[in-house]
Amino acid sequence: AQKITQTQPGMFVQEKEAVTLDCTYDTSDPSYGLFWYKQPSSGEMIFLIYQGSYDQQNATEGRYSLNFQKARKSANLVISASQLGDSAMYFCAMREPYGNNRLAFGKGNQVVVIP
Amino acid sequence: GAGVSQSPSNKVTEKGKDVELRCDPISGHTALYWYRQSLGQGLEFLIYFQGNSAPDKSGLPSDRFSAERTGGSVSTLTIQRTQQEDSAVYLCASSFNPQGAFFGQGTRLTVV
Repeated sequence: AQKITQTQPGMFVQEKEAVTLDCTYDTSDPSYGLFWYKQPSSGEMIFLIYQGSYDQQNATEGRYSLNFQKARKSANLVISASQLGDSAMYFCAMREPYGNNRLAFGKGNQVVVIP
Repeated sequence: GAGVSQSPSNKVTEKGKDVELRCDPISGHTALYWYRQSLGQGLEFLIYFQGNSAPDKSGLPSDRFSAERTGGSVSTLTIQRTQQEDSAVYLCASSFNPQGAFFGQGTRLTVV
């Protein structure tokens, strides 16, 4: 069964604008972690942000924030003030530490930032 | 080293040959993952090692694939009798705590 769902088509974003990338997940475990990774055209996977299921506040890391809506099983990534270097694929992932503990990835969202 | 190191970065092999891909995790990281990414696709889980526990091999696509992790550190992914559909980028990640998993640069495997 699909654990992580990312269904948005490729997105074009104007430089300096904010962009929201959708991610929904499926788990029956009360304890889990949610991750976002960036993969530019160079291919490296860059860890961006982490949200624990018991965290009371939404995670933030610089221009990245995670809009965590637990009841809706939603973990959207918000990138503020987009930069040209933000053009990349973005992957949402989940780990269930008391389940199989693997990182399950979504299929990714393509973002292109235009000047 | 400071990050996860994978070697080789690129590998071209003939169909039917065996290949070994190496991953050096971040020192002290107890968890190690292997993933495969085909061109333009997401990440396909292959295998997961956690400390001294038996590895989770449930993602290995066939018995031509195997992996080991020696001394809880370096891991080797072996593909026997390579096929063209094995061509992909093989990514390794390591983690110490539930909050982060860090990836290497990957090995791009091309089977000709």
